[in-house]
Amino acid sequence: GNSVTQMEGPVTLSEEAFLTINCTYTATGYPSLFWYVQYPGEGLQLLLKATKADDKGSNKGFEATYRKETTSFHLEKGSVQVSDSAVYFCALIQGAQKLVFGQGTRLTINP
Amino acid sequence: EAQVTQNPRYLITVTGKKLTVTCSQNMNHEYMSWYRQDPGLGLRQIYYSMNVEVTDKGDVPEGYKVSRKEKRNFPLILESPSPNQTSLYFCASRAHGGTGELFFGEGSRLTVL
Repeated sequence: GNSVTQMEGPVTLSEEAFLTINCTYTATGYPSLFWYVQYPGEGLQLLLKATKADDKGSNKGFEATYRKETTSFHLEKGSVQVSDSAVYFCALIQGAQKLVFGQGTRLTINP
Repeated sequence: EAQVTQNPRYLITVTGKKLTVTCSQNMNHEYMSWYRQDPGLGLRQIYYSMNVEVTDKGDVPEGYKVSRKEKRNFPLILESPSPNQTSLYFCASRAHGGTGELFFGEGSRLTVL
């Protein structure tokens, strides 16, 4: 079945550092890919998405590119801020099936 | 404002005392789902509903029931809660078709003593 694997956390960085959170997936065909973010005490909210190969999703300075050849959707940001501290989830969906989540990566940014 | 609303947000109860967590969405979404979030396990789907009167089990349905009598509401019922159901619960909804984006409620933290 479909699955998503994220790099294990927690990840701790200093403000203005470069961020990469790795995400790889297993699926047949061409799923849609998502990054969700969960700020402390809140529900998940969509950060960005990509629906076909080579698409780049972007939002709030974050980017991720749908790489079919490596089955990856790594999340990147050039300069993180303290306010980016949150848990990040990679996810995929295929057709009318359920959304499949990775295990989440906790990110802490220190001033 | 488009939203998914869950109640209660926090609840402490005792083993065996039936409880219901309500979920309501105002976006006319066909699909609704319940997840639980536990440390180290990520999000696991409990039940989902493709439309009114259509529900199905997710990955961890044991000990839970759901109903979908109206399109906007999808309550989660714990008939006889046990301590292993202590968790953070999320309701979510989405429209059929489109890109599959899920909209989440703010979560309900349940503690079963």
